[in-house]
Amino acid sequence: SQKIEQNSEALNIQEGKTATLTCNYTNYSPAYLQWYRQDPGRGPVFLLLIRENEKEKRKERLKVTFDTTLKQSLFHITASQPADSATYLCALDARTGGGADGLTFGKGTHLIIQP
Amino acid sequence: DTAVSQTPKYLVTQMGNDKSIKCEQNLGHDTMYWYKQDSKKFLKIMFSYNNKELIINETVPNRFSPKSPDKAHLNLHINSLELGDSAVYFCASSQDTFQETQYFGPGTRLLVL
Repeated sequence: SQKIEQNSEALNIQEGKTATLTCNYTNYSPAYLQWYRQDPGRGPVFLLLIRENEKEKRKERLKVTFDTTLKQSLFHITASQPADSATYLCALDARTGGGADGLTFGKGTHLIIQP
Repeated sequence: DTAVSQTPKYLVTQMGNDKSIKCEQNLGHDTMYWYKQDSKKFLKIMFSYNNKELIINETVPNRFSPKSPDKAHLNLHINSLELGDSAVYFCASSQDTFQETQYFGPGTRLLVL
């Protein structure tokens, strides 16, 4: 089965700086990789999806990279703001080649943006 | 308007009881899911379901069963509740079987005493 590691349980960043979060997976290469945001007491909210044939994807202040050789995705938030403080989850399709059986999530990185 | 809703938000019950959690989505999606988030915050898939196929994560005890009265609803029934069932349960939906983006409900916090 797929194993996902987000190698920072918590990350403190000064406001205005770029926050970089890491997601590594260990087994098969997924068809796509996603990033979600989860606030306390809430369900995850989709942010970005990047496919196996894409190197980079951007959305406003967010950027995701995907390196299938390294089996790694990096998630960047530029010009970080205190409102960006949340837990960020990396997720992959739960079965080789994708399918109806949902996503496999990493444990998440708790990001704190300090004013 | 809430896209994916769950009831109840909180559920406190005794060991051995049977309980249900309801989920509704108004997005017109074909596929719905149930996830469990334990005390260590790991979010794990339990079931995925559309009108053609139910896929069950092999680690899920058969005390858990999804019931879908129609495409917009996927309820979770839990029999003979155990202490270890205490967790937050999230319902989610996606456009179709192979659609990637999932929309999550607010979660149901289950505490088994």
